Amino acid sequence: AQSVSQHNHHVILSEAASLELGCNYSYGGTVNLFWYVQYPGQHLQLLLKYFSGDPLVKGIKGFEAEFIKSKFSFNLRKPSVQWSDTAEYFCAALKGGSARQLTFGSGTQLTVLP
Amino acid sequence: DTGVSQDPRHKITKRGQNVTFRCDPISEHNRLYWYRQTLGQGPEFLTYFQNEAQLEKSRLLSDRFSAERPKGSFSTLEIQRTEQGDSAMYLCASSLNSGGALYTQYFGPGTRLTVL
Repeated sequence: AQSVSQHNHHVILSEAASLELGCNYSYGGTVNLFWYVQYPGQHLQLLLKYFSGDPLVKGIKGFEAEFIKSKFSFNLRKPSVQWSDTAEYFCAALKGGSARQLTFGSGTQLTVLP
Repeated sequence: DTGVSQDPRHKITKRGQNVTFRCDPISEHNRLYWYRQTLGQGPEFLTYFQNEAQLEKSRLLSDRFSAERPKGSFSTLEIQRTEQGDSAMYLCASSLNSGGALYTQYFGPGTRLTVL
């Protein structure tokens, strides 16, 4: 069965630090990949997505992610975090073809200290 | 902003009672999904509709759970004879049925269910 792993459960950074959150998926075929963010008290919002083409994708609020097929990874990065980036971040995968269900990782709670 | 809406936002019930949740997708979206999220976990897929047809069901969806989307617009998720293990956040998402947007799901705020 397809699975998505996020190895960092809680990350604490100071403002202006660089961020990298790990995400690995298990499915070997065509896959669409997503990062969602959930700010405190708010619903899940799409941060960025990868379907095909350039493996480096840019999302909102200065976030980017790199798809590395050989490593089955889709890590999220931001060069300089802000206090307002404090949130829970979820990586998700959608198997290509007819499958429609998103498979989510368990999430990474990011706390940015002012 | 006409995003995905869910009602109620919170529901507290006693074990054994039935509960029903409603989801209104983004108006032009014909795909609708239900997920369940428990504390410390990511959302888990429950079921999916294209228009009024329920096309996929997870094994997590026991026979106490039923979902409908009678007119291809809003959807309801009913849980019969609730158990304490049903306590979770129930999330609804919707997506378009064309192009790259086919695979992008937009989520509602969720209904938090507490079973006492």
